Amino acid sequence: EAGVTQFPSHSVIEKGQTVTLRCDPISGHDNLYWYRRVMGKEIKFLLHFVKESKQDESGMPNNRFLAERTGGTYSTLKVQPAELEDSGVYFCASSPLAGEYDEQYFGPGTRLTVT
Amino acid sequence: RKEVEQDPGPFNVPEGATVAFNCTYSNSASQSFFWYRQDCRKEPKLLMSVYSSGNEDGRFTAQLNRASQYISLLIRDSKLSDSATYLCVVNFGNEKLTFGTGTRLTIIP
Repeated sequence: EAGVTQFPSHSVIEKGQTVTLRCDPISGHDNLYWYRRVMGKEIKFLLHFVKESKQDESGMPNNRFLAERTGGTYSTLKVQPAELEDSGVYFCASSPLAGEYDEQYFGPGTRLTVT
Repeated sequence: RKEVEQDPGPFNVPEGATVAFNCTYSNSASQSFFWYRQDCRKEPKLLMSVYSSGNEDGRFTAQLNRASQYISLLIRDSKLSDSATYLCVVNFGNEKLTFGTGTRLTIIP
């Protein structure tokens, strides 16, 4: 079974540019999460999709970040315009839809550097 | 105060030794508890869920003390391959995971 995949693995952009990160969850997983780790800090939650609906976006830093999950399959996270403080590693995770709090399976992350 | 706190280390431990990590969390209504392992420049991977009764998986033992809001991880007979960052992770009941900063462990030959 394929795991969570993310694209690209690395991205280097200039301040003010736009970047779009993609996450493909494990097939059949209705829950999809985005997390971020900035340098020296802990991994922090950004948002949670259940199928195509945003369940919780309380962790999104500001309106420069836009996440979508059209069709309830893969998700994209767009940063526009990017700022220096957006640099970090963006992780996507997925889990099946169930009554219990299941393990979340993480993708390898996208390392974003804003210069 | 952070919601999940753990000693960042680093812990440098000789091969074969026993090492213990501790973690405290702030919300007494927390639902689920986990230890994740993260290798350098890799994604976090679930090591163990932590149950109220405590649980063991080979050389690894996890314990939860709800009254003290405290979680521990014990690694016995440590191996070189145990070198990694160990993340204390709590689900506060809303399906999003809250991470500690991680404890870096290096096993020395």
